[in-house]
Formats: sequence, C-alpha cells, structure tokens
Amino acid sequence: KNEVEQSPQNLTAQEGEFITINCSYSVGISALHWLQQHPGGGIVSLFMLSSGKKKHGRLIATINIQEKHSSLHITASHPRDSAVYICAVRTTGNQFYFGTGTSLTVIP
Amino acid sequence: DAGITQSPRHKVTETGTPVTLRCHQTENHRYMYWYRQDPGHGLRLIHYSYGVKDTDKGEVSDGYSVSRSKTEDFLLTLESATSSQTSVYFCAISAQLDGASEQYFGPGTRLTVT
Repeated sequence: KNEVEQSPQNLTAQEGEFITINCSYSVGISALHWLQQHPGGGIVSLFMLSSGKKKHGRLIATINIQEKHSSLHITASHPRDSAVYICAVRTTGNQFYFGTGTSLTVIP
Repeated sequence: DAGITQSPRHKVTETGTPVTLRCHQTENHRYMYWYRQDPGHGLRLIHYSYGVKDTDKGEVSDGYSVSRSKTEDFLLTLESATSSQTSVYFCAISAQLDGASEQYFGPGTRLTVT
C-alpha cells in the first residue's frame, strides 16, 4: 500500500507543451512537497504546499486538501525540465512519504 | 543545499562486511533522516533522528542501525552488508521555513554490495 501515488509514471513531451503531473495521497498531511531529481541524482525541493496554489516561473503547483490531490504543471516545457518529479507528503508526526516519481523527458 | 554532505559518495563492498555512511550538516537542524532509493520504489525512510541520541525506526530499518552523538553528524551503519542493501542512500534534514518543515537532501551515496 502506497501512501502517495503519482501519475503518470513516465511522460514524454515536445518542447513547448503544457505538462501536468498528478499526485494523490491517503494520509493526513501537514504539507505536500514537489521535488525534482535530475540525472546524476541530486534532489531539490520545488514547492512546499499546505493549501491553494504556488507559482515559480514556469512551474505551478496546486493542492486540494479535501480531495487529497495535488498537481504540478509545467508551462512551455523545455528540454532542461527533463527530470524525475517526486511528490512527497509530510504527516503531522513530521514523517515524510514519497511517491515513486514521474520521469519526464522533453524532446526538442 | 542547507550545508549537507555525505561520505563516501560511492562505495563498493562485499557481502558480510560492515559499512558506515556519514551525513554531516552545518546548520544545527534538529531532524535528520536516512532514506534509500531503489527503482520502482519511492524514497523509503530507514531511520530518523529528532535530536542528539534520539533516533527512531522508519519503514525499512531491518539490517540498519544509526547513531547521532553530535547535532551535525548522523551515521548509518550496515552491520553486515547484503546484496539487497545495494541502493542509493540519501540523507536529509528538516528545516523550519515559514512555520512549516522543508526537507533538504544530501547528494546521495551509491552503495554496491557484491
């Protein structure tokens, strides 16, 4: 049983396309995180959300607490966006659960 | 990067040997975590620490032990390495940001057990 489910697992897009990655979770959370992992392995945090919507440049993250669902959107995708995107949730006990990741490839 | 380093970055060892991985942070964060990352699985929590000498087990703690004798160092030990422990190991810290916890990750340690 996975506390965090992501879809799709793999995604290929043409440069310039609008991309959506989805995350559903089954536990009570204090916050939800979107992480990015590039080839070579380093993991960086993109967003931390507890409600509503956040935007950084071409990236937008939304969360619906009632539906236990979050989406990560990338507008005007670029090959440098190619990475694995990971959804993670933080429980009130300060433990983190992670999705298996969405591997995104953006083709020039 | 919240000043997190891991050592070694790569290690190849034989089955049955002990291995210790080190995570070092420079910003006095209270919470530290050890995860492993394997294909087909999300990051899975091995152990975590909420202060010096205060540790607790995570989801996949069997075969691993940890120690935290100083705030800045969190050690992960495989007492007798097995091939199933071949993985990439990430250390992370939890830092308070705007009243909520943000996680920052170390660069990872790739461990191969032959």
